[in-house]
Amino acid sequence: DAKTTQPNSMESNEEEPVHLPCNHSTISGTDYIHWYRQLPSQGPEYVIHGLTSNVNNRMASLAIAEDRKSSTLILHRATLRDAAVYYCSHVPYNQGGKLIFGQGTELSVKP
Amino acid sequence: GAVVSQHPSWVICKSGTSVKIECRSLDFQATTMFWYRQFPKQSLMLMATSNEGSKATYEQGVEKDKFLINHASLTLSTLTVTSAHPEDSSFYICSARDEGEYTDTQYFGPGTRLTVL
Repeated sequence: DAKTTQPNSMESNEEEPVHLPCNHSTISGTDYIHWYRQLPSQGPEYVIHGLTSNVNNRMASLAIAEDRKSSTLILHRATLRDAAVYYCSHVPYNQGGKLIFGQGTELSVKP
Repeated sequence: GAVVSQHPSWVICKSGTSVKIECRSLDFQATTMFWYRQFPKQSLMLMATSNEGSKATYEQGVEKDKFLINHASLTLSTLTVTSAHPEDSSFYICSARDEGEYTDTQYFGPGTRLTVL
């Protein structure tokens, strides 16, 4: 199974950058790394995904280690609306796009 | 952006009844949809993979006769919880896979809160 390890919780101050780490030591060479976030009582929201090189979009940046066994989701300026549970996952190429979620990191943002 | 809807958003039913939950991809076609269950303060647990026009694939430990999945079109998958019991009370979430030449991303519905009395 595609297993990921994340810290249970992290705290950040508003308008400061946040680096959310994820270990995915069982990742295979063709597995994509995906990040989602979930607000209470809502479905997860797609944040970003990547394969090897770092990726940026309007929500966040994804930094992938050279050996791909870890990645970091970077929120450049945390806002109160970024408080959520963040999940990373890697998607095995031969399992039909199946996402397996770990426990995630609960991010709290202080004003 | 890609939008996935679920209906109903919440449902309360009596023990022994069946409940159907719909999942629709509104602006893209999804050959593959997924169903998850989430208990309070826990992560999402994948229940099954739903493929349009074929039988669903269930994860280990998920009873296929209890959780009936139908994926009759490229924009609709349904999950029916048959003979629901209080232990089936949970937050059920679907996702739809947007798979194209340059993309492969799952988009999630808003979830359905099921309470079985």
